[in-house]
Amino acid sequence: ETGVTQTPRHLVMGMTNKKSLKCEQHLGHNAMYWYKQSAKKPLELMFVYNFKEQTENNSVPSRFSPECPNSSHLFLHLHTLQPEDSALYLCASSQVGGLNEQFFGPGTRLTVL
Amino acid sequence: DQQVKQNSPSLSVQEGRISILNCDYTNSMFDYFLWYKKYPAEGPTFLISISSIKDKNEDGRFTVFLNKSAKHLSLHIVPSQPGDSAVYFCAASATSGTYKYIFGTGTRLKVLA
Repeated sequence: ETGVTQTPRHLVMGMTNKKSLKCEQHLGHNAMYWYKQSAKKPLELMFVYNFKEQTENNSVPSRFSPECPNSSHLFLHLHTLQPEDSALYLCASSQVGGLNEQFFGPGTRLTVL
Repeated sequence: DQQVKQNSPSLSVQEGRISILNCDYTNSMFDYFLWYKKYPAEGPTFLISISSIKDKNEDGRFTVFLNKSAKHLSLHIVPSQPGDSAVYFCAASATSGTYKYIFGTGTRLKVLA
């Protein structure tokens, strides 16, 4: 595998389900990001991790819980989501510091029923 | 309030002609700008960037122009090719801040053969 991978690519869940999104980067980066892309809205930064430590939480509801066990892996745990949480969730990675280009995964298309 | 705006949701251009995609920003602290391209079912990929110390950056068929006084940047693609058909996102960051990128809503470019 190369670049940034995300699984699953598509996910349909009910409001009472618990699910997790997974992201893995094979680029040797030390910063990882979760973004949300809703229809006709800009990409919204959700969380930032630098060297496995969370450095940014962009006022994301607690029903989204990120986890970064190491610099290569990032998870987004989902619990009691709402239909308005349906969106494309993108993971990205980069080198820490400065204005480094972010490399994106293909995203997980999430539908909450 | 959106700090980065792409006011044209879509654009159609004939193959071989110039494509011009526009982006406006409101935060005068932004001093680094990027363009990303996104194909369906793929994550955004970095295309070209420009720092505020420049007013133009060129890479092959792609040129980005920055007008700081107008808080406006544009991406020119010459000549346009059918493979350029994608969604283009503009992003901005402030080097004095946390280096996070603020994205626009994207412009869907269709290059007609």
